[in-house]
Amino acid sequence: GEDVEQSLFLSVREGDSSVINCTYTDSSSTYLYWYKQEPGAGLQLLTYIFSNMDMKQDQRLTVLLNKKDKHLSLRIADTQTGDSAIYFCAEFRDDKIIFGKGTRLHILP
Amino acid sequence: EAGVTQFPSHSVIEKGQTVTLRCDPISGHDNLYWYRRVMGKEIKFLLHFVKESKQDESGMPNNRFLAERTGGTYSTLKVQPAELEDSGVYFCASSQWMGTQYFGPGTRLTVL
Repeated sequence: GEDVEQSLFLSVREGDSSVINCTYTDSSSTYLYWYKQEPGAGLQLLTYIFSNMDMKQDQRLTVLLNKKDKHLSLRIADTQTGDSAIYFCAEFRDDKIIFGKGTRLHILP
Repeated sequence: EAGVTQFPSHSVIEKGQTVTLRCDPISGHDNLYWYRRVMGKEIKFLLHFVKESKQDESGMPNNRFLAERTGGTYSTLKVQPAELEDSGVYFCASSQWMGTQYFGPGTRLTVL
């Protein structure tokens, strides 16, 4: 199929880790992305990973890529209230970005 | 460096009217893209410019949508006549090379 799949909602307690999972479709995709959209704001490129990498870490963010299973995950350590947003998984395919529907991350006090 | 900007941020029009959205890419970015997200669905690709040329317009929904990028700088997306199903958020993105695209804040279009 053509869809990038991700769960629609995730609730996490403040201070815990958040893990957002995604499956993509094209094993030849060169880049995989995580975009963040805060309420009332545009799309912010959060991080990306090249397809020849298994993991990328950037401060509180860890991206894991399993090419065999076409599975991408985003882990946010020590989740804060400011992390509340919609997170879009996306792949670069045919010179365009193919997005998932987005996962709404809700932070519990 | 200024990011991608879009105007207006929000537009409310009646069915049958015309609306023109504008996107100013990051300076020096030859690649400019339009995407849109209709309620509850994925962000979908509309088209891709390389400088002033349309590289790929496979995502344009129908001939009511017209995109231009005269001079290879800013781009406009005109919807004429607008229909109810055109409501959504229209995003513009630009990139210097194939790969990482930087998105604007989007224009929220509401067709009544």
